[in-house]
Amino acid sequence: ETGVTQSPTHLIKTRGQQVTLRCSSQSGHNTVSWYQQALGQGPQFIFQYYREEENGRGNFPPRFSGLQFPNYSSELNVNALELDDSALYLCASSLVGASGTQYFGPGTRLLVL
Amino acid sequence: QQQVKQSPQSLIVQKGGISIINCAYENTAFDYFPWYQQFPGKGPALLIAIRPDVSEKKEGRFTISFNKSAKQFSLHIMDSQPGDSATYFCAACSPLNNDMRFGAGTRLTVKP
Repeated sequence: ETGVTQSPTHLIKTRGQQVTLRCSSQSGHNTVSWYQQALGQGPQFIFQYYREEENGRGNFPPRFSGLQFPNYSSELNVNALELDDSALYLCASSLVGASGTQYFGPGTRLLVL
Repeated sequence: QQQVKQSPQSLIVQKGGISIINCAYENTAFDYFPWYQQFPGKGPALLIAIRPDVSEKKEGRFTISFNKSAKQFSLHIMDSQPGDSATYFCAACSPLNNDMRFGAGTRLTVKP
């Protein structure tokens, strides 16, 4: 059984650019959630995907968007990057209806200059 | 956006001592309360969780105490070990929009 994997591990972008982060779910999990974790803070929920559709969203602007693919892998896209977008982006997988039991990947560290 | 308040921000405990971390929530729609442990450079890992119909849950050295009327819950780590040194996050999950709200975290240091 493989765990949640994310790529890339680190990324440096400049303000105004666009970025795509990728996540592969743990085997057997059909739901993917994305979180933003600023330094020294707890993760903040961005959105969740189930059956390739958004299934819940936190307080993030529309320039944060996502995709889920038939194999349950997922992408997080962020347009028009801002300096405050610098953070660790975490992906977590779970089974539908068990959102509290989420398994996190190691994250992608994004730095926006 | 924070709906879960966690304290203390940092905690130093001697080896063998008891570590206690407290959390309080506001939204009564939350129905699942997990605790996560995070080591530097890693994603959070689920440690233990509780539902509000239970007042206490114990797994090994880790115990959650839950007070539904006060909307508070806490993590107790018995016989704390240096390997327990990590950041601990409480969280609360709502079935309404599937989001999980995390506390700000407690950095635990267990001294040998």
